[in-house]
Amino acid sequence: GIQVEQSPPDLILQEGANSTLRCNFSDSVNNLQWFHQNPWGQLINLFYIPSGTKQNGRLSATTVATERYSLLYISSSQTTDSGVYFCAVEMNRDDKIIFGKGTRLHILP
Amino acid sequence: DTEVTQTPKHLVMGMTNKKSLKCEQHMGHRAMYWYKQKAKKPPELMFVYSYEKLSINESVPSRFSPECPNSSLLNLHLHALQPEDSALYLCASSQSYQRGSVNSYEQYFGPGTRLTVT
Repeated sequence: GIQVEQSPPDLILQEGANSTLRCNFSDSVNNLQWFHQNPWGQLINLFYIPSGTKQNGRLSATTVATERYSLLYISSSQTTDSGVYFCAVEMNRDDKIIFGKGTRLHILP
Repeated sequence: DTEVTQTPKHLVMGMTNKKSLKCEQHMGHRAMYWYKQKAKKPPELMFVYSYEKLSINESVPSRFSPECPNSSLLNLHLHALQPEDSALYLCASSQSYQRGSVNSYEQYFGPGTRLTVT
């Protein structure tokens, strides 16, 4: 079946460190979005990035649609970056919207 | 304004109760979504409304009944739920959604309703 895989599943870092989160998808996609879910459950938009590269402050993202992956970069991590990072895709073949299982990030002070 | 609001924030209901969840957006979006999220799991799509018509039902049990009274409002009516239906229910909206087309569907999520079924 169609798969969206995120890695690593868990990540613990010291404040100030940099990190790269990955999202692999098994089929071509119409759309891809990165979210941060905070400890209260709110899903916050980070990037809408079906292809190309975008930057927003300490965060940036790159999607290489032809190779079926997307990367989220977090630089100079802060404790408020803690939470779960999800990528969500809309598959080209059947319009299904699928979330990956997420990367749980914990930033230590 | 990129805000999607949901009420109530928390809901506890018995298996024989009838309750409703409410979602509202004022961004002029024409697509609205319901998701269910169990603890430590990703959100799972339940329903999509496009231009106030049900576009997608992901084989959701009939004890969940969605309603879209107008383009700004989305309800989820709950009846005869089971304890395993306890979850965080998330509403989202996007500019549009049309099945079979390449969609520009950047989604904006509400804060969710945390539902407990006793």
